[in-house]
This record gives sequence, C-alpha cells and structure tokens, in this order.
Amino acid sequence: EAGVAQSPRYKIIEKRQSVAFWCNPISGHATLYWYQQILGQGPKLLIQFQNNGVVDDSQLPKDRFSAERLKGVDSTLKIQPAKLEDSAVYLCASSSLSSSGGDPYEQYFGPGTRLTVT
Amino acid sequence: AQSVTQLDSQVPVFEEAPVELRCNYSSSVSVYLFWYVQYPNQGLQLLLKYLSGSTLVKGINGFEAEFNKSQTSFHLRKPSVHISDTAEYFCAVSVYAGKSTFGDGTTLTVKP
Repeated sequence: EAGVAQSPRYKIIEKRQSVAFWCNPISGHATLYWYQQILGQGPKLLIQFQNNGVVDDSQLPKDRFSAERLKGVDSTLKIQPAKLEDSAVYLCASSSLSSSGGDPYEQYFGPGTRLTVT
Repeated sequence: AQSVTQLDSQVPVFEEAPVELRCNYSSSVSVYLFWYVQYPNQGLQLLLKYLSGSTLVKGINGFEAEFNKSQTSFHLRKPSVHISDTAEYFCAVSVYAGKSTFGDGTTLTVKP
C-alpha cells in the first residue's frame, strides 16, 4: 500500500511570507496528524483530524497557522506570516480507526517537509 | 500533562554490541508507551508499543522494551546492533489513541 505522501519536501521562504504544505494520508485512514519537529527536538502535535473534523488543535498557533481537511482525505497546513522560529520539519501522519479493523495506536508518518525561514 | 525524558542524547556503540536507550516518563494517569525510529530524511516508523499486558514488549528489527511502572521507565534494548541501526530513536507517551508526547530523541551511532 502507498505510504503517506507530503509535498513539497523542502521549502525556503523569507520571514513574513506565507507557505502551504500538503499531505495525502494512507487510503482509508480516518485520522490525520500534523506535527512540527524543530531541530534537536521530538515531534510536537499541531493538529489532529478525524475525518474532516478537528479532534485536537490545542498546540496550533492559531494566529498564524491554519489547517484544513475539507473532504476528509488530504490536508493542507498553512503558515501566514512565517517567523524565523517556524523553521522546522513538518510531519504528517495518519492512522486508522479500530471500528474499521485498524490499529488506532499505529501512526504512519510521511517523509516531512523541511521549512527554512530566512 | 505527560512528559518524556530520554536520558541520553547520543549513544555510540560498536557493531554487535548490546545497547540500551533509556526513557523515563511522567504522568498522573495510565499511559500507553511507544518507541519510534527515524532514519535521515525520513519520517518516523513505529518500533514497538506497550498498551497493556506483558511488560516485556518485542518489536521489529530485534528491538525490545520493558515497561516498569514503579520506575516510570520504558527502556529500549537490542542484544546485538548492526550498522544499519544507526538512526534517531524517539520515546513517546499517550493517554489515548492519537495525541502523543515525544521525547527529544537519542542518536544511536553504530561504529564498525
């Protein structure tokens, strides 16, 4: 089965510009996550979707970050305007629901998008 | 809130030697525990998880971990490492399926 796809893989922007990342989860996975991984740190959850609804966005800086999953499949994460401290790898992950016979504890990660803000 | 401390930021080891990567957690409620591996320029891959039952958990690539509730630890072990095990390893904790809190990682470097 195809894995989690993310694009672009790399992005360099100047501060105050905007940027968007795209994620396509594994087919049939109802749950989608966006993580921010700053160099030298572990991933930090930004937002969790189940189908097209938000389950947890408590750590999403809502003044500049937004995310959507309109049709319950792929998702975009946007930053506007970007700050220097947003430089990080943005990881997308997906998991299935136990109700669909899957393991909700196993998250499958994409390769990430490395963002550099100058 | 939960927190995870990975006690070693870097662990160098020679090929075929045993290795232990240490992880302690803090939580006021019961937790689920995970170990992930991240190879350069790749996403994370689940190595193993503890949900309930036996405290010794076996995972992929010959890794195992032991849940110790009294010590609030979940250390990862492998009896004999290979060059290909060189990677970043993350311990994570969650209280429900979904949101996980990750440690800052341990870089395992296997030398020939």
